[in-house]
Amino acid sequence: GQQVMQIPQYQHVQEGEDFTTYCNSSTTLSNIQWYKQRPGGHPVFLIQLVKSGEVKKQKRLTFQFGEAKKNSSLHITATQTTDVGTYFCAITGTASKLTFGTGTRLQVTL
Amino acid sequence: NAGVTQTPKFQVLKTGQSMTLQCAQDMNHEYMSWYRQDPGMGLRLIHYSVGAGITDQGEVPNGYNVSRSTTEDFPLRLLSAAPSQTSVYFCASSSAGRNIQYFGAGTRLSVL
Repeated sequence: GQQVMQIPQYQHVQEGEDFTTYCNSSTTLSNIQWYKQRPGGHPVFLIQLVKSGEVKKQKRLTFQFGEAKKNSSLHITATQTTDVGTYFCAITGTASKLTFGTGTRLQVTL
Repeated sequence: NAGVTQTPKFQVLKTGQSMTLQCAQDMNHEYMSWYRQDPGMGLRLIHYSVGAGITDQGEVPNGYNVSRSTTEDFPLRLLSAAPSQTSVYFCASSSAGRNIQYFGAGTRLSVL
C-alpha cells in the first residue's frame, strides 16, 4: 500500500525557536492530513490539504502541500511549551483507508 | 457530546487470554477504524469498517477480529493474547464524505 516518510523523528527546540516537520511520498497524493497528539493523549485532527501548492495557516502553524502533491510540511513559528507533542501526517489510500506517517515528536524547553 | 468512547482505558492480560476492546461513537459516522500505536511506529491500521456489516483488514490484522453489527459499535477482539500485542489501541470514526478521523482516548494493553 501507499507509504509516507516523515522526518525528523524527533526534534528538541528552545521556546521561541521555529520547528518544521516534513512528509514525503513516492506517489501523487489526493490529499494529506495533519494530526497532533499530546503526551498521553490521542491524535487530534489539525487540517487537510487538497490542492497542489496549497498553503494554510492556523495562528503560528503553517501547512504546505507541494506543487507535485508528493510532499507536505508543517511549520511552527516561535514555538511554545503548548506545542509539545507528536505531529503526524496521514494520507488516504484505497477504500479511504488512512496511512499515518511515523510522526515527529517535538520537545520544547524554556 | 461523547464522540468516540473506548473501554477499558487500561488492561493487563496473560498470554493466551482473550478479550474484547469496546468502541462506540455517537456521531452517526459511517467509517470506523482500529489502530495500534507502538513507539517509533506511528499508528498502524488493524481493521476497518465502512458501515454496518462491512469490515476490511488493515496493515496488521493478524490476531484480531472485528464485527460491525450497528453503526455505533465496533468492538476489537483479541483471540489469544500475545506479548507482541502489548500496545496502545485507538478507535476512530469518520464520516464518509470528509474522512477526518475522530479518535477515542485509547486503551493501554499489556500482555504478560
